[in-house]
Amino acid sequence: DAGVTQSPTHLIKTRGQQVTLRCSPKSGHDTVSWYQQALGQGPQFIFQYYEEEERQRGNFPDRFSGHQFPNYSSELNVNALLLGDSALYLCASSYFITPLQPQHFGDGTRLSIL
Amino acid sequence: QKEVEQNSGPLSVPEGAIASLNCTYSDRVSQSFFWYRQYSGKSPELIMSIYSNGDKEDGRFTAQLNKASQYVSLLIRDSQPSDSATYLCAEGGSGGSNYKLTFGKGTLLTVNP
Repeated sequence: DAGVTQSPTHLIKTRGQQVTLRCSPKSGHDTVSWYQQALGQGPQFIFQYYEEEERQRGNFPDRFSGHQFPNYSSELNVNALLLGDSALYLCASSYFITPLQPQHFGDGTRLSIL
Repeated sequence: QKEVEQNSGPLSVPEGAIASLNCTYSDRVSQSFFWYRQYSGKSPELIMSIYSNGDKEDGRFTAQLNKASQYVSLLIRDSQPSDSATYLCAEGGSGGSNYKLTFGKGTLLTVNP
C-alpha cells in the first residue's frame, strides 16, 4: 500500500524564480494538506485541498498557491521566491469524512533558495 | 490564533530511563492530539494519537491528555538510543470539517548509551 509520495526530493532555486512541488496521497485518501517547516521549527500549515478546492488556508501570502487533480494528487506552487522560503515542504494526506484521524506525511521536498 | 507550546529542550536521558515530553495548547475545544517523531532530515512520523482524557499506552509509549489543564504529555519507557529524535506535539482541531494540524516547535530528545 503506497504511502504519501512527494517529488522532487531536493530543489535549488534562486530568488524571484517560481517552483512547483508535487504530492500523491496515500492510497484511498482524498484530502491533501501542505506544510512548511523551517529549520528548528515545527511544521506550519499552508493550505488544504479536497474535491479540487482549497478548503482551509494558513497565514501564507498569495505567492503560495495550489491545485488538486481528480486523482487526488496535488501541487504546491510558489512564485517570486524569497530567501525565507527555504524550508522543508511537507505534504500530508487524510480522509475528509474522518477529520479527527491522523494525517500521514510524505518524505518532503527540501527547497533551498540562493 | 491557536498555539501549541513545547519545552524546547534539548532533553537528555540515559538509556533505559523514562523520557517525559510535555505540551500545552490554547484551543479549549480541541478534540484531537498527536505526537510525531522526526529524525534529523526526515519527515514527521506518527507515533501516538489521543482524543480522550487519561492515558493511552502503545508499547513503550504512553500519551496522557488533560483537557481541563489543556496539557498533553508523552512518556517513553526504557528509552533507547534509537529514540533520539525531535518529538513534535500537534493539535488537530475539533472536527466539523477536516482539520489542520497546529504544531509546537518540537523537543529534541537525546538518549545516551
